Amino acid sequence: GNSVTQMEGPVTLSEEAFLTINCTYTATGYPSLFWYVQYPGEGLQLLLKATKADDKGSNKGFEATYRKETTSFHLEKGSVQVSDSAVYFCALRAGGSQGNLIFGKGTKLSVKP
Amino acid sequence: EPEVTQTPSHQVTQMGQEVILRCVPISNHLYFYWYRQILGQKVEFLVSFYNNEISEKSEIFDDQFSVERPDGSNFTLKIRSTKLEDSAMYFCASSEWVEVFGPGTRLTVL
Repeated sequence: GNSVTQMEGPVTLSEEAFLTINCTYTATGYPSLFWYVQYPGEGLQLLLKATKADDKGSNKGFEATYRKETTSFHLEKGSVQVSDSAVYFCALRAGGSQGNLIFGKGTKLSVKP
Repeated sequence: EPEVTQTPSHQVTQMGQEVILRCVPISNHLYFYWYRQILGQKVEFLVSFYNNEISEKSEIFDDQFSVERPDGSNFTLKIRSTKLEDSAMYFCASSEWVEVFGPGTRLTVL
């Protein structure tokens, strides 16, 4: 079946460090891929998405490239800030534009000043 | 910016009691969802709702669960007889093209 695996957290970085959060997926067909972010006390917010192979999603300095050959969608940011501290969820949608989302377990990021 | 709201933010109930979790989706959205996240685990899909009926549901969404759009604005999740394992954060979402999630209701079953 469809599934998402992302790296275990927590991840602790110093401000301005480079961030990578790994995400790999298993899916039939051609899923759409997403990264959601959950700030403390808030709901899930869409961070970025990609709908086909080799697409790059980007937002707020974060990027992720849809790699079909490695079934991956790793999240990267060149220089993290304290305000990026949150839980990051990788997700896929396999069932067309309104199929349900399948999430990874989430990775907690803490950025220290 | 439009947002999805959920009430209450925290609900504590006794095992076997009925609970109703409420959501107000974004007004022009047509698709509605409930997801849940048990502490420390994945966010899991429960049910999707379109055109006043369930369009998809997961194995978790058994006969104890029901959803309703009673008045054209609210979207509710009812658990008829809560179990300890229903303790989780419940997220509502609505969608035109991409899901917008609410802040969640933390349900604690004692």
